[in-house]
Amino acid sequence: DGGITQSPKYLFRKEGQNVTLSCEQNLNHDAMYWYRQDPGQGLRLIYYSQIVNDFQKGDIAEGYSVSREKKESFPLTVTSAQKNPTAFYLCASTLQGYTGELFFGEGSRLTVL
Amino acid sequence: AQRVTQPEKLLSVFKGAPVELKCNYSYSGSPELFWYVQYSRQRLQLLLRHISRESIKGFTADLNKGETSFHLKKPFAQEEDSAMYYCALKGYNQGGKLIFGQGTELSVKP
Repeated sequence: DGGITQSPKYLFRKEGQNVTLSCEQNLNHDAMYWYRQDPGQGLRLIYYSQIVNDFQKGDIAEGYSVSREKKESFPLTVTSAQKNPTAFYLCASTLQGYTGELFFGEGSRLTVL
Repeated sequence: AQRVTQPEKLLSVFKGAPVELKCNYSYSGSPELFWYVQYSRQRLQLLLRHISRESIKGFTADLNKGETSFHLKKPFAQEEDSAMYYCALKGYNQGGKLIFGQGTELSVKP
């Protein structure tokens, strides 16, 4: 079954802890993205990666970090420096020669206690 | 500046009524615009893109460069159209990222 898999679906974290969200795709897509979804604010880009071992900051990268060691995987770490981490996080991917169609995962909801 | 604005947070209509979800954009040059939809408990997915000039599930959207708008329309709403709708603009930098609007929740009442 091809697609993008995000895990975990739900995650609780204490303040001051780092947490890593997993994103794996078996679509052979080159580019991968992390968006944050907040009510009334739409989707905002955190980080993106167009090829392996390369990634760029999006609009709200502060307090987050990523890696792209494999084409299939693009994990996101929410660090303790992120001031308001409680949110819904969406991972997406697309082919090179990008047509604008992003394929999204089901999302991960992070709650900071 | 590249920006997408969806002025309505919530749009509520009755089944069979026409629907128009508004989207305005700010962009220098020729924009590429999209509508994405998120049904309850489903993934966000592409609904349509303006370059295809297609109609999906009865929805259409016309790019109006003069008004910088890309409103989504459907002549007769169905209950299954109830969902969250996002208008998106393909940016000319940052890897051609999509810039999303705030989203409009469409509720179609029976």
